[in-house]
Amino acid sequence: EAGVVQSPRYKIIEKKQPVAFWCNPISGHNTLYWYLQNLGQGPELLIRYENEEAVDDSQLPKDRFSAERLKGVDSTLKIQPAELGDSAVYLCASSLTSGTQAFFGQGTRLTVV
Amino acid sequence: DAKTTQPPSMDCAEGRAANLPCNHSTISGNEYVYWYRQIHSQGPQYIIHGLKNNETNEMASLIITEDRKSSTLILPHATLRDTAVYYCIVRDGNAGNMLTFGGGTRLMVKP
Repeated sequence: EAGVVQSPRYKIIEKKQPVAFWCNPISGHNTLYWYLQNLGQGPELLIRYENEEAVDDSQLPKDRFSAERLKGVDSTLKIQPAELGDSAVYLCASSLTSGTQAFFGQGTRLTVV
Repeated sequence: DAKTTQPPSMDCAEGRAANLPCNHSTISGNEYVYWYRQIHSQGPQYIIHGLKNNETNEMASLIITEDRKSSTLILPHATLRDTAVYYCIVRDGNAGNMLTFGGGTRLMVKP
């Protein structure tokens, strides 16, 4: 069974440019999460989807970050415009439901220069 | 979620048991203890979870004290590939609660 797939694996952009990350969850998983992980710290939740509905986005900086999960499967996370402080690893995870074990992708490492 | 306290780092000799402690003194009755680990450049990986009974699977054992205020993750025969950051997380058993990661314990398994 394929795990959570994220792309790209690495991304380097100049500040003020837009960037997008893509996540394909495990087939059949209804819940999808985006986490942000700064260097040396644990992951922090940005947003959680139940199918196509964003049910918890309180930690998402809405002035520059946006996310969508069309058709309740794949998801994209976008930053526009990117700032130097956005350099981090962006992790996607999925689970059958929000109360069950979460499986993580390998993450996208973003470097803003 | 209740907070957890873990030592920032630990060393373990290859082949020996690694015992990783976690304090969760404010845990409530319906909160589970979860353990994840994160190997360098990978996403977190689920290891084990429990409510109040000790649990064992192919990866590790979880020992939870009777008062549930602390727990220990045991890797019975640590290998070099077990070098990772180990996160102890308490999580409400009701649907809708997410994982809140702390700083974790950086375990270094040495030959």
